[in-house]
Amino acid sequence: KAGVTQTPRYLIKTRGQQVTLSCSPISGHRSVSWYQQTPGQGLQFLFEYFSETQRNKGNFPGRFSGRQFSNSRSEMNVSTLELGDSALYLCASTRAKNTEAFFGQGTRLTVV
Amino acid sequence: AQKVTQAQTEISVVEKEDVTLDCVYETRDTTYYLFWYKQPPSGELVFLIRRNSFDEQNEISGRYSWNFQKSTSSFNFTITASQVVDSAVYFCALSELLIQGAQKLVFGQGTRLTINP
Repeated sequence: KAGVTQTPRYLIKTRGQQVTLSCSPISGHRSVSWYQQTPGQGLQFLFEYFSETQRNKGNFPGRFSGRQFSNSRSEMNVSTLELGDSALYLCASTRAKNTEAFFGQGTRLTVV
Repeated sequence: AQKVTQAQTEISVVEKEDVTLDCVYETRDTTYYLFWYKQPPSGELVFLIRRNSFDEQNEISGRYSWNFQKSTSSFNFTITASQVVDSAVYFCALSELLIQGAQKLVFGQGTRLTINP
């Protein structure tokens, strides 16, 4: 069974640009969550999607957005990139409520 | 608010030693779930264990064992006879249930474990 797949693995962008990250969950998993990991703030919840609906969002500015498609694949978008957006972005998929989340290898975004 | 504290930022031991990673949590929920994840240098978070708040039995899986004590709000992780391959960052996490069944994980800051040969 394939795991959670995130693309691309690495990205370098310039301040002010926008970026789109992609996540394909494990087959059959309908919930997809996104987390940002930085050395200073650790792992922080960005948002969670289920059946193409965003059910919750963490404490991040509106520049961070996402969506989920009918096949459960998800994308997140960051507009007007700032240096502080440099981070490892992790996607996780969950089969059902209260079950374990399985994570992808992440997309390492560097903003210069 | 939910909170997870991993007081040990870094631990370094020699191979074959036993090592315990501490995790203390705070929650007002009566039903909650606790997790441990391992993050090797590749970046992926690897699931290790899930424990619900009603199950206080300790669990052992090979060289890994977990001690859940509700009375002290702790969920500690012990590696017996550590190996170099155990070197990674380990995260303890608490599941926070949100509206409409959404779930988010609240992570501790992680403990970087280095096993030296």
